[in-house]
Amino acid sequence: AQSVTQLDSHVSVSEGTPVLLRCNYSSSYSPSLFWYVQHPNKGLQLLLKYTSAATLVKGINGFEAEFKKSETSFHLTKPSAHMSDAAEYFCVADSNYQLIWGAGTKLIIKP
Amino acid sequence: KAGVTQTPRYLIKTRGQQVTLSCSPISGHRSVSWYQQTPGQGLQFLFEYFSETQRNKGNFPGRFSGRQFSNSRSEMNVSTLELGDSALYLCASSLSVGGEQETQYFGPGTRLLVL
Repeated sequence: AQSVTQLDSHVSVSEGTPVLLRCNYSSSYSPSLFWYVQHPNKGLQLLLKYTSAATLVKGINGFEAEFKKSETSFHLTKPSAHMSDAAEYFCVADSNYQLIWGAGTKLIIKP
Repeated sequence: KAGVTQTPRYLIKTRGQQVTLSCSPISGHRSVSWYQQTPGQGLQFLFEYFSETQRNKGNFPGRFSGRQFSNSRSEMNVSTLELGDSALYLCASSLSVGGEQETQYFGPGTRLLVL
């Protein structure tokens, strides 16, 4: 069965330092992969999407993610965290018209 | 283009009642999916509609049902509400052209509280 594992339920970084949110997927093929962000009391917003083109995908707000097939990973990074990045982030894989969601990672930004 | 809209945004019901939530997809989008988000369970897939037909279904009891109209608008119904149905219900739409998984665009959600 397909699954998505977000390795950290919470990540806390200081403003201005790098962000790393980890995601591993299990799939018998190379799926499409997404990162969504949900700010408090707001809906989900697409950050970026991987669909077997370039393995390094650039998204909005300075985020990017690298697809590594050998490691079945799709980690999300940002060089310098901003207070407005505080939110919950979801890693998602597609599987036959159905999206498989990770449990989410809460990103906390310390001033 | 207007985004995905959901009505109502907030709802309070009591146990045993039934509720209907509405979702209007982005113009031109034919696929509508519904999700339930709770703190304990995270995001869970309810069902997906495409061209007025249910194309995919998650592991929810039959109390949860949905439908899609010819204009792609979708409704979700929950009958005999239970306390555990309190959640944020999210709707997402996509083009779903040619059978390929497309990016889903989410609405703001309907927050349901069951007392």
